[in-house]
Amino acid sequence: DTAVSQTPKYLVTQMGNDKSIKCEQNLGHDTMYWYKQDSKKFLKIMFSYNNKELIINETVPNRFSPKSPDKAHLNLHINSLELGDSAVYFCASSHGPGQGVEKLFFGSGTQLSVL
Amino acid sequence: DQQVKQNSPSLSVQEGRISILNCDYTNSMFDYFLWYKKYPAEGPTFLISISSIKDKNEDGRFTVFLNKSAKHLSLHIVPSQPGDSAVYFCAARKTGANNLFFGTGTRLTVIP
Repeated sequence: DTAVSQTPKYLVTQMGNDKSIKCEQNLGHDTMYWYKQDSKKFLKIMFSYNNKELIINETVPNRFSPKSPDKAHLNLHINSLELGDSAVYFCASSHGPGQGVEKLFFGSGTQLSVL
Repeated sequence: DQQVKQNSPSLSVQEGRISILNCDYTNSMFDYFLWYKKYPAEGPTFLISISSIKDKNEDGRFTVFLNKSAKHLSLHIVPSQPGDSAVYFCAARKTGANNLFFGTGTRLTVIP
């Protein structure tokens, strides 16, 4: 039973396309995240949702739009893909604030390559 | 603005010896520190953590040391085993925040 699962694992697409990455967690956590690991291996937060509410929105182009239909799912939609969007995107989840939020559980990542 | 830094991108150690991975941070508001381990094609997994009110936390072969005055923490693995070969990320949390700030990782190779 995978705790945090994200699909697809690999995504190769052309510039200008729109794509989505899905994430689901079965840990009963309240908070979910999207992190981006760029070519310099820097792992940086993009978004965080707590009980379907957006609580963190870092300086990310508005071409990136997260959607949380319920607290077990957090999907990432990217419009008009650019070469610089190529990276590994990690979904993660944790307990809510005050309940061990610091211990993140990560998915296995989605390697996005924009050609 | 990288608030958590791991200045050694790689480290090689003989099996059975001690591995010491280092991490520096700049933000004095960090109150909780974690180490994550990452194998290829997998997501990072939690390894060990330490609160800023402590200076040492031990879990089996893994010990994390925190030097607040120097804004420095280290992960000691002893004895090192080939299965410890992975990328290790240092991470930190600000008081009251929901997210973690990560370093760029150190690739540890344990040579049999």
